[in-house]
Amino acid sequence: DAGITQSPRHKVTETGTPVTLRCHQTENHRYMYWYRQDPGHGLRLIHYSYGVKDTDKGEVSDGYSVSRSKTEDFLLTLESATSSQTSVYFCATQDTDEQYFGPGTRLTVT
Amino acid sequence: SQQGEEDPQALSIQEGENATMNCSYKTSINNLQWYRQNSGRGLVHLILIRSNEREKHSGRLRVTLDTSKKSSSLLITASRAADTASYFCATGPVSGNTPLVFGKGTRLSVIA
Repeated sequence: DAGITQSPRHKVTETGTPVTLRCHQTENHRYMYWYRQDPGHGLRLIHYSYGVKDTDKGEVSDGYSVSRSKTEDFLLTLESATSSQTSVYFCATQDTDEQYFGPGTRLTVT
Repeated sequence: SQQGEEDPQALSIQEGENATMNCSYKTSINNLQWYRQNSGRGLVHLILIRSNEREKHSGRLRVTLDTSKKSSSLLITASRAADTASYFCATGPVSGNTPLVFGKGTRLSVIA
């Protein structure tokens, strides 16, 4: 398995609070991705990065921002969490063609 | 919107039977990939087939690709209870930094 870790693994937060999720990789892969997974919607891309400080929006980017200051770290921030952002968040990396996924973060916004 | 659409959404079979899942997509692709997700875990890459290939095998997995019909199928032979999982197809873009696009998945249940 690619060395991908996500932190925290579980988080409960209140509506309106800021939340940052971290993805860390040890594989030196160029591409990194943040997805959310919800029942009935499959896997939806939030933001992605194709290099340090190079990021772009995905399908469901509203309410989320990202930063990548180092190859190994990709941060996802919810500036002001809402109940609709309750979900499981997955980070993934990609070197050539295939993606490698982290274990996921379960976020609950109350 | 999603590029790949899996069919069926859910499939239940007996152990030892074969399982077939289909994926249709809309635009030109460089490759098509299949991933597996066990409950509560991240996706794991299974197999990749390129647009100039028609069939590929890996163990008990067989993938076909028909670019004229923009469709792919994943066959799991002699299924086992441990194959119970969700299976996703993902299409790889023709060029650039465009990300993979995942379908919504097929939920496979293999009954012992």
